[in-house]
Amino acid sequence: GAVVSQHPSWVICKSGTSVKIECRSLDFQATTMFWYRQFPKQSLMLMATSNEGSKATYEQGVEKDKFLINHASLTLSTLTVTSAHPEDSSFYICSAPDHYEQYFGPGTRLTVT
Amino acid sequence: QQQVKQSPQSLIVQKGGISIINCAYENTAFDYFPWYQQFPGKGPALLIAIRPDVSEKKEGRFTISFNKSAKQFSLHIMDSQPGDSATYFCAARRREKLTFGTGTRLTIIP
Repeated sequence: GAVVSQHPSWVICKSGTSVKIECRSLDFQATTMFWYRQFPKQSLMLMATSNEGSKATYEQGVEKDKFLINHASLTLSTLTVTSAHPEDSSFYICSAPDHYEQYFGPGTRLTVT
Repeated sequence: QQQVKQSPQSLIVQKGGISIINCAYENTAFDYFPWYQQFPGKGPALLIAIRPDVSEKKEGRFTISFNKSAKQFSLHIMDSQPGDSATYFCAARRREKLTFGTGTRLTIIP
């Protein structure tokens, strides 16, 4: 199957700082990518849809000014958590569709101290 | 409003047994139903998927049964092994967006 990578795999930052997470489709092109958030022992919650060449679309309740998404190319989407706070600590996962299937990255563990 | 309901929340099965996880959906616009396996600290991995015009799909030890009229689908893991211990999520797709079930934590005991 197709491969999606994420970087970094884990990051610790101080409250008030910004953190950027990269998502790459390694062997296919993706005009659309998705960003999810997962709290411990919970399901994946879709945060936003990243669209190459246009603005991201955010799910209801997700602050677009806090979670900045840029789809720079057909293989790269970035999520920037701005002015991070401890409540933003979570597991962030991206995915990209390839034909009918959707493939997920390995996730990024964000801890805000 | 949760559109995909998954049960049970947790499941313990003896090695060699059959693990069964059930999901039900409400939105008839969903057009694809994948199952994902997730290990702690890892991203979900696609396990098997089915389209609504098919009633059953089998891949190795994994089978999806799909009942379109009841809006239900299930995952069967035959000959369950300790390595199958993970969290399983069903999902339903509409316009490339996935809606996930709440997850089932499966534990296979020797």
